[in-house]
Amino acid sequence: DTEVTQTPKHLVMGMTNKKSLKCEQHMGHRAMYWYKQKAKKPPELMFVYSYEKLSINESVPSRFSPECPNSSLLNLHLHALQPEDSALYLCASSQDPDRASYGYTFGSGTRLTVV
Amino acid sequence: AQKITQTQPGMFVQEKEAVTLDCTYDTSDQSYGLFWYKQPSSGEMIFLIYQGSYDEQNATEGRYSLNFQKARKSANLVISASQLGDSAMYFCAMRGAPRAGGTSYGKLTFGQGTILTVHP
Repeated sequence: DTEVTQTPKHLVMGMTNKKSLKCEQHMGHRAMYWYKQKAKKPPELMFVYSYEKLSINESVPSRFSPECPNSSLLNLHLHALQPEDSALYLCASSQDPDRASYGYTFGSGTRLTVV
Repeated sequence: AQKITQTQPGMFVQEKEAVTLDCTYDTSDQSYGLFWYKQPSSGEMIFLIYQGSYDEQNATEGRYSLNFQKARKSANLVISASQLGDSAMYFCAMRGAPRAGGTSYGKLTFGQGTILTVHP
């Protein structure tokens, strides 16, 4: 299995809703990432989990809450989002958190619309 | 700090011709990796090719090759025999190596991207 699976593929939520994005990989990768991407822009790093521990939070607002229940699973809990949070949310994993020779494997993303 | 620069917002190429997408980078890390990703309109980020900073030969993967010039800090992607399915956004990215004394914490840093359109 060489894939990163993200669910759901599309999500529409109101500003008062609570929802979660899910990401799963079974490649034994020890680092997992959440990125936010606006249209025609590069992905922006949000969070890094290294060996199941949060190692980087790129000053993301608290309405985004990451969780790593085990080495294969990464969640992003959403609460009280704003319309400007509408974007493509990409999950990625990497075999090693530190080695430059290991690239990231990305999921196909969740297209989030906040209404 | 790491920085990736892609100076071509958009590129057009005729089907079956070759095209070069430019990428320059800046880093204080001694060891780093350079990557190219393709992102179709569907959104998935697809890995294309990798070049290590200590690799002496340019990387090749099928129709993709990476023209690596370390002294100029450039890592251009060459796509040979373009196909209609190559139309997409292309990102150059770099990852440092904190265990080698770098400061990038292993993060993958992206350039602004180049939209490639292949005409029939």
